[in-house]
Amino acid sequence: NAGVTQTPKFQVLKTGQSMTLQCAQDMNHEYMSWYRQDPGMGLRLIHYSVGAGITDQGEVPNGYNVSRSTTEDFPLRLLSAAPSQTSVYFCASREFPLNRVLFSPLHFGNGTRLTVT
Amino acid sequence: KQEVTQIPAALSVPEGENLVLNCSFTDSAIYNLQWFRQDPGKGLTSLLLIQSSQREQTSGRLNASLDKSSGRSTLYIAASQPGDSATYLCAVGTLQGGSEKLVFGKGTKLTVNP
Repeated sequence: NAGVTQTPKFQVLKTGQSMTLQCAQDMNHEYMSWYRQDPGMGLRLIHYSVGAGITDQGEVPNGYNVSRSTTEDFPLRLLSAAPSQTSVYFCASREFPLNRVLFSPLHFGNGTRLTVT
Repeated sequence: KQEVTQIPAALSVPEGENLVLNCSFTDSAIYNLQWFRQDPGKGLTSLLLIQSSQREQTSGRLNASLDKSSGRSTLYIAASQPGDSATYLCAVGTLQGGSEKLVFGKGTKLTVNP
């Protein structure tokens, strides 16, 4: 049981390049999400998904796209990288109870450290 | 807008000391509160989750309390060890615009000195 796996661990991009950050979980969690963590800003939600085929925007969605074709995978795409997207990106997942009210603990991957020059 | 504050930003204690980390939030309409631990270069690990109907949760040497009316939570660590050194974050779960959302504090960096 690997939990939440993120690849790559490190990435350097030039301004304007595109790339996809991969996230996979093997816990059959319905809910998956992407956060970015910046010094002094804390963790901010980029996009999230409550099941295959369903995605929604979080607090800072601009410049990022997501899709959820399977329960296991939730890739994050940077369309045209900018220096402001230099950050550490975390994928997280949790169970999503049918009552849609009670949260369950959030499980995080180890992050992708992205630098855009 | 929900805001979560953790004070102090950093704390250094000698090994064996009992300590309390603080978390405060501005809107008491929360569904739960979670405490996480983050080691350098790693993701967050969930330590304790308190539902809004609960007052506290315990796991080993950790005890988290929740007082919704005052907008406060504390994480109590008993008999601290050097291995407890990490950044501790709290996050409150809310519903905003019909969507579930976790709002994180910026964390308290704890150093336990041998």
